[in-house]
Amino acid sequence: SAVISQKPSRDICQRGTSLTIQCQVDSQVTMMFWYRQQPGQSLTLIATANQGSEATYESGFVIDKFPISRPNLTFSTLTVSNMSPEDSSIYLCSVDSGEKLFFGSGTQLSVL
Amino acid sequence: DAKTTQPPSMDCAEGRAANLPCNHSTISGNEYVYWYRQIHSQGPQYIIHGLKNNETNEMASLIITEDRKSSTLILPHATLRDTAVYYCIVRVTGTASKLTFGTGTRLQVTL
Repeated sequence: SAVISQKPSRDICQRGTSLTIQCQVDSQVTMMFWYRQQPGQSLTLIATANQGSEATYESGFVIDKFPISRPNLTFSTLTVSNMSPEDSSIYLCSVDSGEKLFFGSGTQLSVL
Repeated sequence: DAKTTQPPSMDCAEGRAANLPCNHSTISGNEYVYWYRQIHSQGPQYIIHGLKNNETNEMASLIITEDRKSSTLILPHATLRDTAVYYCIVRVTGTASKLTFGTGTRLQVTL
């Protein structure tokens, strides 16, 4: 199994600002995933982050809005840029162990 | 990844077995059936997965039909702490592929 530490656990931000979410894993993993969960909804994949290459974004998500870094095999960041109240969601990172995916505890973001 | 269909909600009395169905009629031969649950906006928690044989672990049992078009997750003795949203997902394993979440089943365990 993989232990994932995600920070911050929650934040309240002003519109127009940016927030960077960190995801640290206790073992080396090739693939990391970032998900968004809007209030009352299921999880939606934002992007897949592979170490050493550009992240691959899902339809409806763009790099300018959600830039991702993946500097090594145990760490990734997701930035939510130029935030608006519509960005209020839970953001989750996930890692693939080969057989199973494990999830962080999430970052609850509220944008005022 | 193939899509899945689950009932939006179910109730279960504490101590009874909870049987959560999932339809995945377009599943491919190399896709596994995974179950995750999410308790009150925490990160999803892995429960169990299988290809075609029934599987059991300390949390649950997974029954997959012979044609693999549907499956049932069984929580043998549900407790209040099992109240959560349960997601059935099909995925090719071993290829670092993403999980595509459907809407899941909200299980409410009651006294």
